[in-house]
Amino acid sequence: AQSVAQPEDQVNVAEGNPLTVKCTYSVSGNPYLFWYVQYPNRGLQFLLKYITGDNLVKGSYGFEAEFNKSQTSFHLKKPSALVSDSALYFCAVRDRNLAAGNKLTFGGGTRVLVKP
Amino acid sequence: DSGVTQTPKHLITATGQRVTLRCSPRSGDLSVYWYQQSLDQGLQFLIQYYNGEERAKGNILERFSAQQFPDLHSELNLSSLELGDSALYFCASSAREQVTTLHFGNGTRLTVT
Repeated sequence: AQSVAQPEDQVNVAEGNPLTVKCTYSVSGNPYLFWYVQYPNRGLQFLLKYITGDNLVKGSYGFEAEFNKSQTSFHLKKPSALVSDSALYFCAVRDRNLAAGNKLTFGGGTRVLVKP
Repeated sequence: DSGVTQTPKHLITATGQRVTLRCSPRSGDLSVYWYQQSLDQGLQFLIQYYNGEERAKGNILERFSAQQFPDLHSELNLSSLELGDSALYFCASSAREQVTTLHFGNGTRLTVT
């Protein structure tokens, strides 16, 4: 079975400081990995994904994530956080082996609060 | 705007009742996924349809059912509602049968009283 862990319920950061949201995953095979962001009363918005190739993935709004196979991690990062980055962030995984199920499994979410 | 449309935005109903949630996928997308988001369970996959046929099933209760119509819109039917069914229900779509990037609607907030 595939699973995702986001160990921090909330991350607090000052505006202008680096932001990191942690994610670790478990799949039987190789993963497809995703980050989504959710603003209040809205659906999830796609930020970035890792499919194959370069371990450093760049996405929307200045976010990037690094795939680390040995640590089974896919942490989301932004060099300089903005107040408008305050939201709920979800990491998701799908096993490339479709026998494991054709679905994205989401982590529990991490709330990011960026203070001015 | 993701291009995925969900109606209604809010539903308030009583226990034991039945409701229908509707989803129109992004133009050109053939796959529709339903997810339930609650405070205690997080984001749970319910079911996937591809081009009108059920393709994958998750933690969907027997009281819940879904279908995808020839015009590709989908409906999620929830019956014999219980207080614990109160949640945000999201529809998402993707272009192909094998899921990669999902595009989410803004959800339907269901409150069961």
